[in-house]
Amino acid sequence: ELKVEQNPLFLSMQEGKNYTIYCNYSTTSDRLYWYRQDPGKSLESLFVLLSNGAVKQEGRLMASLDTKARLSTLHITAAVHDLSATYFCAVLGGGSQGNLIFGKGTKLSVKP
Amino acid sequence: GAGVSQSPRYKVAKRGQDVALRCDPISGHVSLFWYQQALGQGPEFLTYFQNEAQLDKSGLPSDRFFAERPEGSVSTLKIQRTQQEDSAVYLCASSFLLPSLAGAPLEQYFGPGTRLTVT
Repeated sequence: ELKVEQNPLFLSMQEGKNYTIYCNYSTTSDRLYWYRQDPGKSLESLFVLLSNGAVKQEGRLMASLDTKARLSTLHITAAVHDLSATYFCAVLGGGSQGNLIFGKGTKLSVKP
Repeated sequence: GAGVSQSPRYKVAKRGQDVALRCDPISGHVSLFWYQQALGQGPEFLTYFQNEAQLDKSGLPSDRFFAERPEGSVSTLKIQRTQQEDSAVYLCASSFLLPSLAGAPLEQYFGPGTRLTVT
């Protein structure tokens, strides 16, 4: 059974600081996704990582993928309050249906 | 452009009532997924449609849950005889590409969800 684990589940950080969220998954997957969810809102796609060593950056967020270690990281640089949200990683489920298997999410709170 | 829309956005049902949740995917999207998100958890897969065909319903928690997409566009998730444990946000997502297309990003675009509360 494919499992996705994120840590930490809760993260409180000061503005201007850097931090990393980790996402481990249990079996091989073709694709790794990062989503952002604000309270009461739906999921917003941040990154799709397709291959080993892939790195993508958007603003203060950078995501990377190590398929051999089955690990993805989401690095936050110089956090600002607007980044406060819950961040989910997800991998493509097995079989041909293409459903996503999500982690439990990391609730990020950036304090001034 | 129009994204995935869902209705109603909020639904309160008394235990034992039937509910129907609607999803309008992005026009032209072949693949449609339903997910259930419990409070404080990540979304969990319920069922998948490719056009009008329901190819996977392995995530449906019981036979009280039923989904359809008769014309390959709008989909409805129906829950019969609702129970308190059905309380959750139900998310719909659509994708343009077929999942078997190797190397494609296969981005899924999510709707705003329907928050179901069973009292």
